[in-house]
Amino acid sequence: GQQVMQIPQYQHVQEGEDFTTYCNSSTTLSNIQWYKQRPGGHPVFLIQLVKSGEVKKQKRLTFQFGEAKKNSSLHITATQTTDVGTYFCAGHQSSGNKLVFGAGTILRVKS
Amino acid sequence: NAGVMQNPRHLVRRRGQEARLRCSPMKGHSHVYWYRQLPEEGLKFMVYLQKENIIDESGMPKERFSAEFPKEGPSILRIQQVVRGDSAAYFCASSERQGAVPEAFFGQGTRLTVV
Repeated sequence: GQQVMQIPQYQHVQEGEDFTTYCNSSTTLSNIQWYKQRPGGHPVFLIQLVKSGEVKKQKRLTFQFGEAKKNSSLHITATQTTDVGTYFCAGHQSSGNKLVFGAGTILRVKS
Repeated sequence: NAGVMQNPRHLVRRRGQEARLRCSPMKGHSHVYWYRQLPEEGLKFMVYLQKENIIDESGMPKERFSAEFPKEGPSILRIQQVVRGDSAAYFCASSERQGAVPEAFFGQGTRLTVV
């Protein structure tokens, strides 16, 4: 079945450093979505990418969808303590309805 | 439009008891997902349901676990004869696949503790 892998599993950064998490699917995706879960909270939708090679920005966050629509990345510039949490990618297979999540990357920011 | 509602938020069960977790999707949503999360870990897919149908239960243990999403009422995740290893946060998400591919909206989760 479809698998979505995410790396790294954990990332500890100093406040002000950049952070990137990568997402790879075993199959072509119709879309890629990113979610953030604060400690003790529930996942909240951040953004969706649909087009091959698409890049979207939200303030210090940059999201990319690969040309082959099988990988994606989330990059945070100059991390802040408010960025702490777990970042998940998720995607729909091109031929299916099920939304498959990656295992997530836990981000910790030291001030 | 209320969000995804899960109850209870916290549930304590003794080993061998049954745990019943409820999820009311957002109004108009007919797709429900259940995920399990251990502390400091990611979301593990359990089951995907549409109204009255189980679409994919490949992530759900074949024994003791069951899920349903009836025509009327919330989706239910049932765990029979709970064991300590069932202690986790269980999240429900709902979506509606009409038009553009939509995002999933999560409930606050049910934290199950088995003592």
